[in-house]
Amino acid sequence: DTGVSQNPRHKITKRGQNVTFRCDPISEHNRLYWYRQTLGQGPEFLTYFQNEAQLEKSRLLSDRFSAERPKGSFSTLEIQRTEQGDSAMYLCASSLSALAETQYFGPGTRLLVL
Amino acid sequence: SQQGEEDPQALSIQEGENATMNCSYKTSINNLQWYRQNSGRGLVHLILIRSNEREKHSGRLRVTLDTSKKSSSLLITASRAADTASYFCATDVIQGAQKLVFGQGTRLTINP
Repeated sequence: DTGVSQNPRHKITKRGQNVTFRCDPISEHNRLYWYRQTLGQGPEFLTYFQNEAQLEKSRLLSDRFSAERPKGSFSTLEIQRTEQGDSAMYLCASSLSALAETQYFGPGTRLLVL
Repeated sequence: SQQGEEDPQALSIQEGENATMNCSYKTSINNLQWYRQNSGRGLVHLILIRSNEREKHSGRLRVTLDTSKKSSSLLITASRAADTASYFCATDVIQGAQKLVFGQGTRLTINP
């Protein structure tokens, strides 16, 4: 049984560079979520997809952030012109449907912006 | 912004003892979930309790929910060293995307 996978697991970048993360949800899960977690805090919601449609975005998701799920399967999260404040763990989760409240999380991508 | 708060923020006990963590939240919910996170790793789902339930068990885990007080507790019985982790409660907002709103977590350390 394949769980949610995320790549890369770690990313170090210089301020101003663009980065892209990928999330592969559990197959047949039609909902996919992105969260951000900073040190010592709980995860905070960023955005979610129902199939390929992006249905909600948090105010945390500035215009430097963009997420896609082009075929309703994997998703990418891109951060443009990274800032040191973007350093965090980026977590992806998926769930089977709106009625399946349990979200299954991937291992996360840890981003460090120097 | 964080929905809830866990209490205590950190807890250290001896192996074999029971560990109790509390969570408070602010708005009406459909359900409340508890997740575990080992250091630097993803979150693992532990248990879900619905708003019309008061208590739920799963193995060594016991969760209670008091919607009148907007609070929940997680009890881990007969703790083991492998239970060392951060524990988060998460609620889903009634209006919206079933997104989860997490508390800040309780860091649990089990001493051998």
